Amino acid sequence: EVQLVESGGGLVQPGRSLRLSCAASGFTFDDYAMHWVRQAPGKGLEWVSGISWNSNHVGYADSVKGRFTISRDNAKNSLYLQVNSLRGEDTAFYYCAKDSQWELHGDNWFDTWGQGTQVTVSS
Amino acid sequence: EIVLTQSPDTLSLSPGERATLSCRASQSLSSSYLAWYQQKPGQAPRLLIYRASSRATGIPDRFTGSGSGTDFTLTISRLEPEDFAVFYCQQYGGSPYTFGQGTKLEIK
Repeated sequence: EVQLVESGGGLVQPGRSLRLSCAASGFTFDDYAMHWVRQAPGKGLEWVSGISWNSNHVGYADSVKGRFTISRDNAKNSLYLQVNSLRGEDTAFYYCAKDSQWELHGDNWFDTWGQGTQVTVSS
Repeated sequence: EIVLTQSPDTLSLSPGERATLSCRASQSLSSSYLAWYQQKPGQAPRLLIYRASSRATGIPDRFTGSGSGTDFTLTISRLEPEDFAVFYCQQYGGSPYTFGQGTKLEIK
């Protein structure tokens, strides 16, 4: 069974940092691109970042560019999101999602999602 | 950035009825790179449709996706009680991958 389990969320003060993790199982992790998607309380879905199978290609939403960094460790079947300089508007549930493809070349639908981890930015 | 606009914002129907949800893109989507997701309260989104009209694994055939270019539709032929949720369309032709604002399908 394909499974994605996020961790690392919590309550953090504005300007601080967190590292989110996503542990993958049930599929060959290094065969697929991966993504982070977030959802603010009571709001819709917002794509945050994506990474290709070998980390050669990454992409970010404008709202997080320069503050967030996506990475992966294929040996550990894990995806990460380093979130720096956090702001109130970053408060959201953060989901890890598996891509249908190995590269970020278009035709990249998200076929499996984790249950998410909550990030709350507040003083 | 491609903007997706879903309509209506809320749809109130009864079990057994037919639901029609719309998604309009601000520019034509190459190769119909559009997906539909269903999200129930407290749950992660679930993939329903990809490439505008292909059903994901395990999705019942009462869910049908159609459309091309800038106009896309998700049709649920006969609503079951478990179908009531929020539905999002997403374009994935390239970064940034954008979602519509969602349509809430509620029981009338």
